[in-house]
Amino acid sequence: SQKIEQNSEALNIQEGKTATLTCNYTNYSPAYLQWYRQDPGRGPVFLLLIRENEKEKRKERLKVTFDTTLKQSLFHITASQPADSATYLCALESRGIKAAGNKLTFGGGTRVLVKP
Amino acid sequence: KAGVTQTPRYLIKTRGQQVTLSCSPISGHRSVSWYQQTPGQGLQFLFEYFSETQRNKGNFPGRFSGRQFSNSRSEMNVSTLELGDSALYLCASSRGQGAYNEQFFGPGTRLTVL
Repeated sequence: SQKIEQNSEALNIQEGKTATLTCNYTNYSPAYLQWYRQDPGRGPVFLLLIRENEKEKRKERLKVTFDTTLKQSLFHITASQPADSATYLCALESRGIKAAGNKLTFGGGTRVLVKP
Repeated sequence: KAGVTQTPRYLIKTRGQQVTLSCSPISGHRSVSWYQQTPGQGLQFLFEYFSETQRNKGNFPGRFSGRQFSNSRSEMNVSTLELGDSALYLCASSRGQGAYNEQFFGPGTRLTVL
């Protein structure tokens, strides 16, 4: 069966350190993968998209890698700040019931808590 | 540019009732997707509408339906509510159809079924 797995345990990290989150998937062959941030009581906010032919993508203090052989994406927050505390979700394309286009399927998310 | 808006923000219903939720996408966005988010199941795709047509559908019962109007605004309807339908319902809009596009999410409608 298809699975997208993110660490369900919260990641506690000291301010200034690098937070690394994993997204593992099974029985998917996504052409791209997206990462979102969600704060309590709010909708997710798009952060980064990485394509299958891209090994790495960066945006400010964020870095994403995509290894289609390992079926894994890593999400890094460097020089983490308390304001980075949130839940981070990975999402990848998958077929819906209708064949007209793909849909986004989300992982369960990993909560990050950055302590000052 | 105004973001995605959803109304109402909070709703309390009883089992057996039906509910209609509304979503106004970002101006110029033609695709609207709906998701259900619960603590147990996470964020699950319900359906996507593009140019007033349902283009894709998740694995939900027929009690969940939706539509999109010519101005891209969308509504979703849940009939014969069950306790398990209590969730945060999120709407997301994007410029184009399909999962490649960045999704812009609204704040959600918190539905409680008693």
